[in-house]
Amino acid sequence: GAVVSQHPSWVICKSGTSVKIECRSLDFQATTMFWYRQFPKQSLMLMATSNEGSKATYEQGVEKDKFLINHASLTLSTLTVTSAHPEDSSFYICSARELGDSGGPLYEQYFGPGTRLTVT
Amino acid sequence: AQTVTQSQPEMSVQEAETVTLSCTYDTSESDYYLFWYKQPPSRQMILVIRQEAYKQQNATENRFSVNFQKAAKSFSLKISDSQLGDAAMYFCAYRSVRTNAGKSTFGDGTTLTVKP
Repeated sequence: GAVVSQHPSWVICKSGTSVKIECRSLDFQATTMFWYRQFPKQSLMLMATSNEGSKATYEQGVEKDKFLINHASLTLSTLTVTSAHPEDSSFYICSARELGDSGGPLYEQYFGPGTRLTVT
Repeated sequence: AQTVTQSQPEMSVQEAETVTLSCTYDTSESDYYLFWYKQPPSRQMILVIRQEAYKQQNATENRFSVNFQKAAKSFSLKISDSQLGDAAMYFCAYRSVRTNAGKSTFGDGTTLTVKP
């Protein structure tokens, strides 16, 4: 089955620094990747949708200058949290949609294992 | 905008018994997709089952089945013969066919505990 990996699985950084999270589709090409944020025992909140080679589309209320998303290839998307603060501490999950699927909205959404970010 | 509501923050079931998790949603659309995802302690999201709104027949996947009531906008998940490995957080999700670029809206989740 299709596998999505995330790296790192957890990271601790100091307030004011930036941290990059990678999302890779290991055995398929991803036309679209979604980035979610999840607080403990809460739902997944969509942050942005990225398509390979184009700018990401951010959800309302998500600061695009703070959460930089790059989808440079069909197998890699990155989320960079710039000037991180303790309130950015959260669990970040990416998911990917396979290139060449039916093209309709009933696509399989493959999730990565998530990255736990702690900002001290 | 569509909303998804899971009114049961926590549920528990005895091993081998049956449990039903509730989900309601609000939409003005007639065509859409509904999903149940499982998130075990590993935090890896796993698709459990999906339902296409135009299909009247309830979806079934082994021990998992849904009760899809389109008029009532209800989409409950029934887990039969519960196993310890079913313990997880379960999310109901809605996906529009035509709007929102195919994005999914998730409910707040229900934490399921399975008692041995």
